[in-house]
Formats: sequence, structure tokens, C-alpha cells
Amino acid sequence: EIVLTQSPATLSLSPGERATLSCRASQSVSSYLAWYQQKPGQAPRLLIYDASNRATGIPARFSGSGSGTDFTLTISSLEPEDFAVYYCQQHSSWPLTFGGGTKVEIK
Amino acid sequence: EVQLVESGGGLVQFGGSLRLSCVASGFTFNTYEMNWVRQSPGKGLEWISYIASSGSPIYYAETVEGRFTISRDNAKRSLYLQMNSLRAEDTAVYYCARGVTMVRGHRPCFFDYWGQGILVTVSS
Repeated sequence: EIVLTQSPATLSLSPGERATLSCRASQSVSSYLAWYQQKPGQAPRLLIYDASNRATGIPARFSGSGSGTDFTLTISSLEPEDFAVYYCQQHSSWPLTFGGGTKVEIK
Repeated sequence: EVQLVESGGGLVQFGGSLRLSCVASGFTFNTYEMNWVRQSPGKGLEWISYIASSGSPIYYAETVEGRFTISRDNAKRSLYLQMNSLRAEDTAVYYCARGVTMVRGHRPCFFDYWGQGILVTVSS
């Protein structure tokens, strides 16, 4: 099973700041990595797939990068609606696995 | 508009059974892989099962293998999860999620649409 480790667990930032979230895989997942955003009481929403492709309707301030074992989700300038929990997920092999999440909170 | 609506959740006793359903609309259901993903209260996400568009192959997480059964009825645009021998650790919100892959022949998928989730509580 591929283990995904996200860091930091919590990121405290102000609106307008840049957010950099990390996801590290226990073995190579090539570029088969997705990112999701989840707000309280809501289902997750797909942001990024195949490491760097934005999903339909996702603003350009969200970008993904990386390959192999190290990946980054960047939010270039935080909007009030971006404060949420973010999860990475590998879609390289079975079982599909998620990281433990990074909470982006208002400082 | 793509919609996935789960039903069938609720309170069940330890060792009991429950069947979840997910009705799809807004897309051609029989051409998409489908999955169940769960989230324990206050915890992260856990993928638990996958079913191909045709009904085969099927995959399960180790935590539910042998106890849960995924199935689908393409004529009814519906996905199901039969859950038996339920344990306290199965308490979670269960989501059905549409699976997508951009690489032909590569089955492991990401999830582009999710249902609103349904709560299953297992009591001892």
C-alpha cells in the first residue's frame, strides 16, 4: 500500500498570502496524484488531477506540481473561501490511498 | 448537471447489515467506474471499493474485504454497497464517487464527482 504523508498538518495564513502544501508518497506514483478541497459538512471537491491539471471550474490560483514521490499544491493568493482541509490521493495503484490532510486556517 | 444521491444509511447494531444505494443522474452512468469512499467522524478519507463500468473488475480495501459487496445496476443508474458484519470502526459518512482516469487502460482512478454523503453509525 502506498502511504501518502501530508505536511504541515495545519497551515495558519492570512487572506492574500501564498499557501504551499506538501504530499510525499512512500513509493513513486509517477504523476498519478490528485488534490481535493473539503469544507465542513461538505463532500470533497476535486482540484487537481495527474499532479498538475486543474479540474473543470477550478480557479487559476490553484496549481499542482511534482512527480514521483514529492508533490506540491500551491494557492497563489488565498481567498476567504479557500480556508478548508486539503487532501492528496494517489491513483497509481490499488488500493487507492489518501493523505491525512492539511488544514488551511485563518491566522 | 452531474448528481449522485446516496441513501440507506442510519443506525445499526454491531454485527448487523446495511445496504447503501447511490442514484446517478446527469451523465451516462454505464460508461463510468464508480467507487465508495468513507470518512470517519473527524478523520480523513478512506477509499473502500471500486467497480468498473461493466461491473467487473471489482476491488476492495483490506479493511472491508469479505464483509462489504459493491454492485451496480446500469439500467437503474444505481450503485450499491452491501455491508455485513458491521463493526464500530465502520461508523463513517459514506460517499459514492465517480471514478475517472485520463490514461487508457489505467484503472486506478481519481474522483471527479461526489455525492453528499450518508452517515452510517454502528452501535455496540
